Amino acid sequence: AQTVTQSQPEMSVQEAETVTLSCTYDTSENNYYLFWYKQPPSRQMILVIRQEAYKQQNATENRFSVNFQKAAKSFSLKISDSQLGDTAMYFCAFKRTGANSKLTFGKGITLSVRP
Amino acid sequence: GAGVSQTPSNKVTEKGKYVELRCDPISGHTALYWYRQSLGQGPEFLIYFQGTGAADDSGLPNDRFFAVRPEGSVSTLKIQRTERGDSAVYLCASSRQAGDSETQYFGPGTRLLVL
Repeated sequence: AQTVTQSQPEMSVQEAETVTLSCTYDTSENNYYLFWYKQPPSRQMILVIRQEAYKQQNATENRFSVNFQKAAKSFSLKISDSQLGDTAMYFCAFKRTGANSKLTFGKGITLSVRP
Repeated sequence: GAGVSQTPSNKVTEKGKYVELRCDPISGHTALYWYRQSLGQGPEFLIYFQGTGAADDSGLPNDRFFAVRPEGSVSTLKIQRTERGDSAVYLCASSRQAGDSETQYFGPGTRLLVL
């Protein structure tokens, strides 16, 4: 079974600064997908960024980028130029390839952006 | 276009009652997923449908939980003899199909409170 660990329950960052959210996972699979989802108080989970394990290049989406270390099973999210609207819970998630499409989530981290 | 919608947004019931939670996926999406999110936790997989059939129901906690998707679109999660431990946010997600590269789009969830 796969497990996803987010060991930091909360983080805080000053507006316009950079913050990194950590995630580690455990799997015996070689090919898989990793995701970061954002959940604001409205509860709606929004996909922030995704990474395919077979791709060595780290994914980037505007101010969001990941540091994917496959051997270390580490998948951190870096948010640059933090904005007040980035305040939310962030979840790291894992998905196997193949027929089973379910997502396995970590416990999440609460990020607060201070003005 | 319209996203995933869920009704009701909030549901309060008494222990022992029966509840139904509804999910309307994005039009044309053949895969539909149910997750349960307890307070302070990440979402946990319950069941997923590919079309009308339940492709994986391994996450349903016991036989009080049941889900249907009779026409391959709207899905209903049914909980019999509710218990206080069933209190959680129930999230629904859909994707175009249950393939490797498909992104799951989430609804806003139904917050269930069992008194």
